[in-house]
Amino acid sequence: QQQVKQSPQSLIVQKGGISIINCAYENTAFDYFPWYQQFPGKGPALLIAIRPDVSEKKEGRFTISFNKSAKQFSLHIMDSQPGDSATYFCAAAKSGANSKLTFGKGITLSVRP
Amino acid sequence: DAGITQSPRHKVTETGTPVTLRCHQTENHRYMYWYRQDPGHGLRLIHYSYGVKDTDKGEVSDGYSVSRSKTEDFLLTLESATSSQTSVYFCAISEGTGGHYGYTFGSGTRLTVV
Repeated sequence: QQQVKQSPQSLIVQKGGISIINCAYENTAFDYFPWYQQFPGKGPALLIAIRPDVSEKKEGRFTISFNKSAKQFSLHIMDSQPGDSATYFCAAAKSGANSKLTFGKGITLSVRP
Repeated sequence: DAGITQSPRHKVTETGTPVTLRCHQTENHRYMYWYRQDPGHGLRLIHYSYGVKDTDKGEVSDGYSVSRSKTEDFLLTLESATSSQTSVYFCAISEGTGGHYGYTFGSGTRLTVV
């Protein structure tokens, strides 16, 4: 059973457009929701994260929107740039000793010039 | 990536041979993880460690073993490599309880089993 599901599987956006990646989770005990960004040949890197006590968090051009009742959260990339082309993973975790992140399968974003 | 080093970066090995991948950190973080990344499967947890000599299995642990004799080193061993273990392997570290401190990933080891 996949506990964290991403959509779409791939995304192509024009430069300057808005990229939107969605993530749905199963476990209502999850209370930490990060997004990771991975460039080719590199390891994933933490991009932005949110906890369920807020519905939105913004860092520069990147925004996480969180909908607790729908068990969904999404990443919005405003003014998308070719340098944003990468693989994006959503993840989730719950509180507690030795808790681990559960990752989605990742989506590939291509931003065309 | 700062504070975490994986070695080797690339390796080609033959089916049936043992292989050990090394993850070394200089951050003194308690938690360490081994993932494999494959197309269509994303990141899958192989094994993890929450302290020296404290390790546990992840979702795809069959055919893999780990050891952590020092805080800074986490070794992943493929006892007898198979072609299905051809993958990119990532090590990650975390300062605290895995989910709430974020993970820092290494640059990965690309392993090919022929």
